[in-house]
Amino acid sequence: EVQLVESGGGLIQPGGSLKLSCAASGFRVSSKYMSWVRQAPGRGLEWVSIIYFCGSAYYADSLTGRFTISCDTWKNTIDLQMNSLRADDSATYYCGSGDMPNNVNLWGQGTLVTVSS
Amino acid sequence: VVMTQSPLSLPVTLGQPASISCRSSQSLVHRDGNTYLSWFQQRPGQSPRRLIYKVSNRDSGVPDRFSGSGSGTDFTLKISRVEPEDVGVYYCLQGTFWPTFGPGTKVDIK
Repeated sequence: EVQLVESGGGLIQPGGSLKLSCAASGFRVSSKYMSWVRQAPGRGLEWVSIIYFCGSAYYADSLTGRFTISCDTWKNTIDLQMNSLRADDSATYYCGSGDMPNNVNLWGQGTLVTVSS
Repeated sequence: VVMTQSPLSLPVTLGQPASISCRSSQSLVHRDGNTYLSWFQQRPGQSPRRLIYKVSNRDSGVPDRFSGSGSGTDFTLKISRVEPEDVGVYYCLQGTFWPTFGPGTKVDIK
């Protein structure tokens, strides 16, 4: 079965770090455009980062270099390292795979990140 | 690129048509000739699901009552006959530039 499963979310204090992971099954992450998209509670969708075939990576300007996307071809996972977390980073983070750049046609179930003291 | 949608709330009658408009702040025609405008449905408590890509192409498994149209900066998602399972929030997404979503249109039953 083709699916994505995110993990790693939780409660973290402002200024802290957290690493999210997205495990893919049924396909290789290195064959897709892999993305992280977030949704603050009750809000809309915001693109966070995208990595092309486990190569070139791009980020939303608003992140100011705090997040890093990476690819583990052995584990077939995509990770998102989040540093210097702020309250406005609180959101459900979705992992997605795309069949074209800047798009997602397969979504994970999401993992909730709450930044609060 | 700023995406706007209207209306933001759309009460609909079952069996009746519905239409959502999406506009972009600049043309979404890519230098490769494609227009990367997609539509997503997010049912309550669920992850988003893509319905339409490149303006008018329906994804596999999407009912044919959903259709997309438009060009340049002006796009429309139409539901020919609304079913109960169509309740949710609908987002347009442009992928021609750094991807940005519209604010969403909440569809519910009158």
